[in-house]
Amino acid sequence: EVVMTQSPATLSMSPGERATLSCRASQSISNNLAWYRQTPGQAPRLLIYDASTRATGIPARFSASGSGTEFTLTISSLQSEDFAIYYCQQYNNWPPITFGQGTRLEIK
Amino acid sequence: QVHFIQSGAEVRKPGASVKVSCKVAGNSLSEFSIHWVRQAPGKGLEWMGGFDPEDVQINYAQKFQGRVTMTEDTSTDTASMELSSLTSEDTAVYYCVAGSGVPRPDDAFEIWGQGTMVTVSS
Repeated sequence: EVVMTQSPATLSMSPGERATLSCRASQSISNNLAWYRQTPGQAPRLLIYDASTRATGIPARFSASGSGTEFTLTISSLQSEDFAIYYCQQYNNWPPITFGQGTRLEIK
Repeated sequence: QVHFIQSGAEVRKPGASVKVSCKVAGNSLSEFSIHWVRQAPGKGLEWMGGFDPEDVQINYAQKFQGRVTMTEDTSTDTASMELSSLTSEDTAVYYCVAGSGVPRPDDAFEIWGQGTMVTVSS
């Protein structure tokens, strides 16, 4: 099973700042990685797939990079709706498909 | 636009079973590889199983093997997930999910149902 580890667990930032979230895989997953954002009471929303491709309707302030075992999600200028929980997910080596434990992005 | 419409909240006693349905609206079920993901209150996302279009079979997470059954009815464009021998640890929101393009084995989940809350309590 591929274990996904996200860091930090919590990130305290202010609106307008740049945020960087990390995700590490326990073994190489090529570029088969996705990022999701989840706000309270809502289903997660796909932000990024294939490690660096923005999903439909996702604004350009979201960018991502990485391959193999190290991945990064960057939000260039935080908006109010970006204060949420972010999950990474690998879909390279399954079953099982695995998610990271999440990074909570909170308002400082 | 495609939507996944899930059945309503359920309450079950320990030891019982629950079946959650997911109707595809705006397209055909056969256009998607459906997976199921759950989220316990205040916890992260957990993949339960899903259809692999390359192997043409449903793969289940080992944790749920023998206790979960995922089925599809193309005549009604409805997928279902049945979980048996419920315990309080199964209290969670259950989501049906899928990629949005041509089904492929290595795909992210762009489409999510609204979620179905299943509560297991005596």
